[in-house]
Amino acid sequence: GIQVEQSPPDLILQEGANSTLRCNFSDSVNNLQWFHQNPWGQLINLFYIPSGTKQNGRLSATTVATERYSLLYISSSQTTDSGVYFCAAGLAGDYKLSFGAGTTVTVRA
Amino acid sequence: EPEVTQTPSHQVTQMGQEVILRCVPISNHLYFYWYRQILGQKVEFLVSFYNNEISEKSEIFDDQFSVERPDGSNFTLKIRSTKLEDSAMYFCASSEQGYSPLHFGNGTRLTVT
Repeated sequence: GIQVEQSPPDLILQEGANSTLRCNFSDSVNNLQWFHQNPWGQLINLFYIPSGTKQNGRLSATTVATERYSLLYISSSQTTDSGVYFCAAGLAGDYKLSFGAGTTVTVRA
Repeated sequence: EPEVTQTPSHQVTQMGQEVILRCVPISNHLYFYWYRQILGQKVEFLVSFYNNEISEKSEIFDDQFSVERPDGSNFTLKIRSTKLEDSAMYFCASSEQGYSPLHFGNGTRLTVT
């Protein structure tokens, strides 16, 4: 199956800082999504982004499918942004998602 | 905003017992899934369900597991003869179409003792 690798594994930010999380995947994908797992364990869908760029408030994401990577940008980070960010990808003809190991983000006040 | 609901939030069971985890997907969604996350590890796909049948399952989803949509709203995961290694957070998810945003429930934390 498809391999999904995320970097960095851990990120510590001061409140107000910007950051970039990276997701590399091993194959062509028809499905690429970013999730935030908050400290209570809830998985929240941030973006469905198989290609192109999207923005939602302080978050934005870009997927370059031909080069097999996606980036998640967090701007002006807040303590509520803390948690684990997962990238998940799916192959053409396959609706299941394979998750990366996640990036644990800690935002300090 | 519509959401996926799961019950119970916590389930403790003894090894060898059967458990049923319940989910109510978002009402206009057509694709349903179960994923699990062992503590501190990545989220793993178990099974997908569409048009009242399993569309795909992982190697984890062996004969110990089964899914059912008993009526128009509920979607259940049954684990027969639970083992210690089945302890995990089990997430139900649904999507409107195959290639569309996946929405997760809050999960059921299963502890097998």
